[in-house]
Amino acid sequence: DAGITQSPRHKVTETGTPVTLRCHQTENHRYMYWYRQDPGHGLRLIHYSYGVKDTDKGEVSDGYSVSRSKTEDFLLTLESATSSQTSVYFCAISDPVISPLHFGNGTRLTVT
Amino acid sequence: AQSVTQLGSHVSVSEGALVLLRCNYSSSVPPYLFWYVQYPNQGLQLLLKYTTGATLVKGINGFEAEFKKSETSFHLTKPSAHMSDAAEYFCAVSEGAGANSKLTFGKGITLSVRP
Repeated sequence: DAGITQSPRHKVTETGTPVTLRCHQTENHRYMYWYRQDPGHGLRLIHYSYGVKDTDKGEVSDGYSVSRSKTEDFLLTLESATSSQTSVYFCAISDPVISPLHFGNGTRLTVT
Repeated sequence: AQSVTQLGSHVSVSEGALVLLRCNYSSSVPPYLFWYVQYPNQGLQLLLKYTTGATLVKGINGFEAEFKKSETSFHLTKPSAHMSDAAEYFCAVSEGAGANSKLTFGKGITLSVRP
């Protein structure tokens, strides 16, 4: 897993509640990414980070925010969870930027 | 904008048969191309990548892919399927390796291997 830990691995939450997913890396890689995986859609980029406090939006960023206060941690927050955000969320890291991505094992989020 | 097309969502082959998973890409600049594999309940693992140079790329587990610019394709092949190859396979493209380069993934193909 290239030293990537995602937590929690599974979470069930109710519509309207805030949720934070954590990605922790021990590789000291500069670039970190959050993807969501949905059947028929493959993986879609939510947000990414190219350094501490440097983040940018991906193709499906609406309803999500991120923060990176330390190199090793990249947090994904759903401000007010909706059923459409039920998905499997993957964190990935890379360094340099387009070296192969290394993925965590994912967080399965269910919004009821 | 870059994009990847993986035709079909499921491929089934017999053990020992040829595996062919198709990938076509769109890119406005010379692309970087990748194949990833995902086993159940796991993250994605890199199978192989093409950046520059030799157009036939060999990866892990006996897989290889050939970059064909004229066909905008990067099909994945393996001469003889093994039961352990059953997984989901994703093709991905990036336009270059700059700071703003990001991977775009295809929708994935599930490979089943029959005994």
